[in-house]
Amino acid sequence: SAVISQKPSRDICQRGTSLTIQCQVDSQVTMMFWYRQQPGQSLTLIATANQGSEATYESGFVIDKFPISRPNLTFSTLTVSNMSPEDSSIYLCSVEGGTTYEQYFGPGTRLTVT
Amino acid sequence: RKEVEQDPGPFNVPEGATVAFNCTYSNSASQSFFWYRQDCRKEPKLLMSVYSSGNEDGRFTAQLNRASQYISLLIRDSKLSDSATYLCVVIRRAGNMLTFGGGTRLMVKP
Repeated sequence: SAVISQKPSRDICQRGTSLTIQCQVDSQVTMMFWYRQQPGQSLTLIATANQGSEATYESGFVIDKFPISRPNLTFSTLTVSNMSPEDSSIYLCSVEGGTTYEQYFGPGTRLTVT
Repeated sequence: RKEVEQDPGPFNVPEGATVAFNCTYSNSASQSFFWYRQDCRKEPKLLMSVYSSGNEDGRFTAQLNRASQYISLLIRDSKLSDSATYLCVVIRRAGNMLTFGGGTRLMVKP
């Protein structure tokens, strides 16, 4: 499976500010995914990031709030914009592993908005 | 109704016990199924895929019932290290989007 790293691992931010989270993979992958895991909840897909095209957002998530970049096949960023305490979550990136579509996750970024 | 449902637990079992989790899914177009394990404050990690014929990996057995739209995970001879949250994951045919169940928490006690 791919080795995935995320930066930062955690951050505490003030409301109204923005944070950009980086995801780096050790191999080239077509699709990268961004998830949110709110406290005590399961994972919810925010968007799918393909290199060379606009990200595809899931219902309830919009580009203005969560802009995504995918400049190459090993890297992606997710920005959480104009943050509020409700954005306090763990944000995880993932990549597909193989022909059966399983995904492998980065270690996550733990965000606290005060 | 949630697309993927699990009993949140917690399941509290003694070491050596056998424990089973079920998961139901509502979308009959689902094509692939997985169990993930998530330890506290860690990312989910793939435990095993679930195949129509059922599959086994050591102490873990996964089964799929497409007619009834449920997936099961059986853990035999539970270890303390099995304590975690187990997430049922389903992929639809279109878009390859993973949908996660809410997770079932297992606590194995000495």
